[in-house]
Amino acid sequence: GESVGLHLPTLSVQEGDNSIINCAYSNSASDYFIWYKQESGKGPQFIIDIRSNMDKRQGQRVTVLLNKTVKHLSLQIAATQPGDSAVYFCAENRGATNKLIFGTGTLLAVQP
Amino acid sequence: AAGVIQSPRHLIKEKRETATLKCYPIPRHDTVYWYQQGPGQDPQFLISFYEKMQSDKGSIPDRFSAQQFSDYHSELNMSSLELGDSALYFCASSGYRRQGGYEQYFGPGTRLTVT
Repeated sequence: GESVGLHLPTLSVQEGDNSIINCAYSNSASDYFIWYKQESGKGPQFIIDIRSNMDKRQGQRVTVLLNKTVKHLSLQIAATQPGDSAVYFCAENRGATNKLIFGTGTLLAVQP
Repeated sequence: AAGVIQSPRHLIKEKRETATLKCYPIPRHDTVYWYQQGPGQDPQFLISFYEKMQSDKGSIPDRFSAQQFSDYHSELNMSSLELGDSALYFCASSGYRRQGGYEQYFGPGTRLTVT
């Protein structure tokens, strides 16, 4: 079946540390992945995306790594801040209609 | 910048009642997606529309129907509501980006509670 899942449901880090959130996907044909941040009571917010022809993409304080060999994604957040506290989802953009298949979220808790 | 608008933000219904959720996409976006997110769960794709035609269908119950209108807004109609329908319902819209891809922008969601 199709699935995108995360290894760690909860990640607690100290403010200023770097955070790494991991995600595994099952469909080797997938070619576009997105990370979303969801704060309590709000809709998912786009963070960064990556296509399968890349293995790394950087944004502001965030980096996404893609390892197609083992079907693994990670989101790295540098110098984690309290405002980064949220649930993070990886999602696979599936098919011609671009529907999103979400994985299980990881709750990132930033300790001051 | 204009965002996706959803209404109502909160809705309380009783079992067997009907509900209608509305979504107003970002201007010039031609595609609308509906997702359902149960408590502590990840969003699940329900249905999508492109240029007012249904483009894809996911795990949407037969009791639910949706459509996209000529002004591109979309409505999700839910009938014979069940307790298990209690969830957050998100609408997302997308349109073509010059830099490629079809990034989906999510609305704030409608929280439906069925009692």
